[in-house]
Amino acid sequence: QSVLTQPPSVSADPGQKVTISCSGSSSNIGNNYVSWYQQLPGTAPKLLIFENDKRPSGIPDRFSGSKSGTSATLGISGLQTGDEAEYYCVTWDGSLNAGVFGGGTKLTVL
Amino acid sequence: QVQLVQSGSEVKKPGASVKVSCKASGYTFTTYVISWVRQAPGQGLEWMGWISPYSGKTSLEQKFQGRVTVTTDTSTSTAYMNLRSLRSDDTAIYFCARSTWGKKGWSDYYYHMDVWGQGTTVTVSS
Repeated sequence: QSVLTQPPSVSADPGQKVTISCSGSSSNIGNNYVSWYQQLPGTAPKLLIFENDKRPSGIPDRFSGSKSGTSATLGISGLQTGDEAEYYCVTWDGSLNAGVFGGGTKLTVL
Repeated sequence: QVQLVQSGSEVKKPGASVKVSCKASGYTFTTYVISWVRQAPGQGLEWMGWISPYSGKTSLEQKFQGRVTVTTDTSTSTAYMNLRSLRSDDTAIYFCARSTWGKKGWSDYYYHMDVWGQGTTVTVSS
């Protein structure tokens, strides 16, 4: 069981918007910043969002992040078939003194 | 360009040890921590720990304490992850990642991994 809870899968049509949730607790998301990663099949993960809502250079503004309380959300608008991937949330857990991952969400673009 | 290049695939027997290397280039090695993450076949990502090349400070996931050692060689800008007493469930792809870790204010930790190595496949089999 992962410390952070993500839905196993989400799906949407090309061009639509999808959101992926990441639920935690006060020891992790509630008091710390969240980052999001995209992992295409057979490749290393790629940073999409850091510090809840910041995008690294080169990441299109179709990707957005937000946080409220003990949950965080990744939004992807204007879906493309190339967005089909596994998405992970990560944060620091102050009680465990460790990084923690969500279990991952598989995005299918129908 | 900034990159992390990891050592090649390994096949080990149960009970053996494996040492994975991660050579950094394109940035000042001591200004970021190096994280280690693994992914078992068909599974999600699992955080293992990190090391600060600047201070030598480490943070390890509790389940790996006693079995994992992470080190760095600043003269060659290389990080190492050594995993002992290998079991079949250690079969995984092991990633290193350049990371930023710190704290803002009283307790708001920030932590993210912005550059990843290509991964090293470790297979444990008798």
